[in-house]
Amino acid sequence: GAVVSQHPSRVICKSGTSVKIECRSLDFQATTMFWYRQFPKQSLMLMATSNEGSKATYEQGVEKDKFLINHASLTLSTLTVTSAHPEDSSFYICSAASGQGKGDEQFFGPGTRLTVL
Amino acid sequence: DAKTTQPPSMDCAEGRAANLPCNHSTISGNEYVYWYRQIHSQGPQYIIHGLKNNETNEMASLIITEDRKSSTLILPHATLRDTAVYYCIVRVYNTDKLIFGTGTRLQVFP
Repeated sequence: GAVVSQHPSRVICKSGTSVKIECRSLDFQATTMFWYRQFPKQSLMLMATSNEGSKATYEQGVEKDKFLINHASLTLSTLTVTSAHPEDSSFYICSAASGQGKGDEQFFGPGTRLTVL
Repeated sequence: DAKTTQPPSMDCAEGRAANLPCNHSTISGNEYVYWYRQIHSQGPQYIIHGLKNNETNEMASLIITEDRKSSTLILPHATLRDTAVYYCIVRVYNTDKLIFGTGTRLQVFP
């Protein structure tokens, strides 16, 4: 299957700082990327849909000014957690789809574990 | 909200078939059923998906009932490495959005 990478895999930061997480599709062009958050022992929660060249669409309850998403190319989307606080500590996972809407599988990255002190 | 219901946990002996059920009684005619699994602290791994017909690949088989209100994922010969949380997902129509439910934690034992 296709490969999606995330960087960094793990990050620790101080409260009040901003953290950027990258999501790359390595061997296909992803017109759409998704960002999820997962707290311990819980399921994945969809945060936002990122479309190349346009503004991201956020799920209800997700603050767009806190979680900035940029999908500048067909292989790269970034999530920036601004002014991070300890409650933002979580496992952040991205996924990528070719966007053909034909029932294709969606490929997930390995995740980024964010710890805010 | 997730449109699927799964048992929270299941056990399976190594080498035996693991049958994971999923209810999706409100599924629409053009919505796909996807199965993913997540091994601890990793990103979800695609397993299989289907619309109406049963599907089989190198990992698993997907059996969808005729009324499409439920499905079963079958791992024909479970191994210890199949221990994971398995998610049954109904893909939102005309989008690529996947809304995860709570999943089934499958424990394969020796």
